[in-house]
Formats: sequence, C-alpha cells, structure tokens
Amino acid sequence: GQNIDQPTEMTATEGAIVQINCTYQTSGFNGLFWYQQHAGEAPTFLSYNVLDGLEEKGRFSSFLSRSKGYSYLLLKELQMKDSASYLCAVINSNYQLIWGAGTKLIIKP
Amino acid sequence: ETGVTQTPRHLVMGMTNKKSLKCEQHLGHNAMYWYKQSAKKPLELMFVYSLEERVENNSVPSRFSPECPNSSHLFLHLHTLQPEDSALYLCASSQDLEVPEAFFGQGTRLTVV
Repeated sequence: GQNIDQPTEMTATEGAIVQINCTYQTSGFNGLFWYQQHAGEAPTFLSYNVLDGLEEKGRFSSFLSRSKGYSYLLLKELQMKDSASYLCAVINSNYQLIWGAGTKLIIKP
Repeated sequence: ETGVTQTPRHLVMGMTNKKSLKCEQHLGHNAMYWYKQSAKKPLELMFVYSLEERVENNSVPSRFSPECPNSSHLFLHLHTLQPEDSALYLCASSQDLEVPEAFFGQGTRLTVV
C-alpha cells in the first residue's frame, strides 16, 4: 500500500523553531508538497520538493531525502498565526497525490 | 475573486434530501478534484476530472454523483446520504493531471442529520 506518516500533533512556543517530519512509502515518486490549513479553511500551498536538499522560503524551509523517503518542514520565528495543520502530500508514479493525515501545530505564547 | 470558489460553505441535510455542491475555478486549469476531509484522516480523493472527462472514481458510493459541465465548473450531487458522510468536502483544481499542485476552495462543511 501507499502511506504517508506524520505526527498527529505538535506544540511549540512563539518565537521558537519547529520541525515537522513526514515519511512516505509510495509507488514511485514525482515530488512532495507541504500545505498549510487553518481550521475551517482551505489548504494553501507552502512548498514543493522534487530534488534532494533544502528549499528555503522566508521563515519556512522544506527538506527532502528521496533515498530515505523523508521530508521535513521547518518553521522559524514561530508566530501565533502559524497555528494550523500542516499536510504532507506525495506525487506517485501515476501523478496521483497521496496525502498524510496532517500535523496539528499548536503555538503557545 | 478567489481562484476556486465553493458554495455553499455550510450545509445541513436530512438523509432523504437531495442537494448539490458547486465548485467554480477561475484559474484556467484543466483538472478538477473532489476531496472528502474527515477529522484526523488523510484527504480522501473522490473524483478527478481532466478536460471535463472523469478519469478517476475511487470506489465512491453511488449516493455521490459528480458532474463537470465545463472546465470551470464542478458539481457534487448528493442524495440519501448517511450521517457518516458528514465531513468537509473540498474542491481543488490543478493546471493538469501531470502538474498536480492543487489549489483548493474553502470547502463545504456538510452535516447529515
């Protein structure tokens, strides 16, 4: 089968750094997305990785290791508005998006 | 106007009712999707349309019936639903199937009573 694993929930402090991990087992790989979803709202695109390494975009960075089937999303200088669910999704060999259940991130003052 | 618009935002329906969810995208995309999102579960892909042709049906019960009259509009017709069908229904679009970066609508929060 195909599956994406990420922690169900994480808690971090405002101003700190948090890393959200994602491991995947899929039939082929054509890229990995991270989405942010605030409660009651649509998921919004954060990042896309297709090659190994780190992609940095402001306070958010995403890392990929294809050989390990592993990615992480790194959030720096956390703000209260970063409280949301973070969804990892992998594009398999059939160009289907396989989704994780999401990680709910709680930011405390 | 946002890229992908869904109506209604909230819907409460009885098990004997018939209702429809509407999705409209203004991005010029060729692929459109219906997803079901239940609490603490991965997004479940229900239907995929590419250039108005259905390309995937993931064993979705027949009480859910999609319709894609043109590349900008997608409907999900609902009838004789069950309480376990209560969920957030998300519409998404992408440039095409080979570029599946999805742009989502705000979703319809459906409650079946």
